[in-house]
Amino acid sequence: DAKTTQPTSMDCAEGRAANLPCNHSTISGNEYVYWYRQIHSQGPQYIIHGLKNNETNEMASLIITEDRKSSTLILPHATLRDTAVYYCIVRARDDKIIFGKGTRLHILP
Amino acid sequence: NAGVTQTPKFQVLKTGQSMTLQCAQDMNHEYMSWYRQDPGMGLRLIHYSVGAGITDQGEVPNGYNVSRSTTEDFPLRLLSAAPSQTSVYFCASTKGTIAEAFFGQGTRLTVV
Repeated sequence: DAKTTQPTSMDCAEGRAANLPCNHSTISGNEYVYWYRQIHSQGPQYIIHGLKNNETNEMASLIITEDRKSSTLILPHATLRDTAVYYCIVRARDDKIIFGKGTRLHILP
Repeated sequence: NAGVTQTPKFQVLKTGQSMTLQCAQDMNHEYMSWYRQDPGMGLRLIHYSVGAGITDQGEVPNGYNVSRSTTEDFPLRLLSAAPSQTSVYFCASTKGTIAEAFFGQGTRLTVV
């Protein structure tokens, strides 16, 4: 079973920040939080991952709460090309990558 | 680098036929995995491998076989295709234990 809970769908206006929440209340100390997205029917694409600290790369920012029970993926300036299903995944080193149902993000023009 | 290459892109099989879905990566990644994705659903792990000669079952292994004789290749075999195996199949590879996974573009399989 997936170890995360995400909203089924979300809307965001183009140009605004998209904030996607993820609950992982049973996360262990050695487990990382990963985010992937799947645009239409393509293969999933890696976005970002983190353990405890907040992380930022050219695509997004990942904010992890201090107790590590939840996190938020932030796309700072959403575009229509960001319309996709976003998957939050929790896994430890050497673990399998198990996908949940994800959040379907609609970017509205 | 070509990344992760899956062949074929599309395939139609008759019930009871067998076939092999090919997956190759040129990034020298140790970890490789196979997923299936049914319409409107998330990805489910079929089998995975942590290196040449080592494979293990995922969430939905029944009806599928894998082997890993080289680092580059991880073929998925359907022994006797069933309509329930109609799906899109994705292969992925990962370098190291916490690095990101790279996915192929998928094989769309229909079993009639």
